[in-house]
Amino acid sequence: QITLKESGPTLMKPTQTLTLTCTFSGFSLSTSGVGVGWIRQPPGKALEWLALIYWDDDKRYSPSLNSRLTVTKDTSKNQVVLTMTNMDPVDTATYYCAHMSGKWLPPAYWGRGTLVTVSS
Amino acid sequence: QSVLTQPPSASGTPGQRVTISCSGSTPNIGSNYVYWYQQLPGTAPKLLIYNTNQRPSGVPDRFSGSKSGTSASLAISGLRSGDEADYFCASWHDTLSGPVFGGGTKLTVL
Repeated sequence: QITLKESGPTLMKPTQTLTLTCTFSGFSLSTSGVGVGWIRQPPGKALEWLALIYWDDDKRYSPSLNSRLTVTKDTSKNQVVLTMTNMDPVDTATYYCAHMSGKWLPPAYWGRGTLVTVSS
Repeated sequence: QSVLTQPPSASGTPGQRVTISCSGSTPNIGSNYVYWYQQLPGTAPKLLIYNTNQRPSGVPDRFSGSKSGTSASLAISGLRSGDEADYFCASWHDTLSGPVFGGGTKLTVL
């Protein structure tokens, strides 16, 4: 059974750097084809993908947020970490991590998400 | 504004068949698989359909997916009160090199 769980701060101030950790089970990021993605959803708005990382360390970033994002993996700990710099109130959203079963495919299994609020 | 377009709401009575549409373009739905998810409040999105028309183990055959050109559809037959949820579609976008999503459709069972 594949499960994922997001963890990190729930409240941030503008300009701070967000660090979120995705801890997963039921699959390995050393398995060919597998990846983990980060997706967010602002309140009342659409889902937006942020970053992807695959078993071979191939990394993809949303073009609109590329300069602010970094994604890394720790295969031994079954964790993926997302950092986003220079947080702004418009970054208030529920942040999800998700299992990707292959390149060029949407996410398959999702975590429950974590709400991050940015406010001064 | 979502890359994939879904109607914001849909409804039906118990036992009815309901269809939810998802409209995209050539670089996404036109060239790639479509996934569908069900999301109940406060829970993780659950995969209903993958590779356009395949159901994961455990998903009833009341749920089916299809695609024609740059549009896709999710059909739910034998509607039940427990099907009340948000449904959203996703596909890969070749130009963006990442997944894109629909805005979600809230299904109400009357």
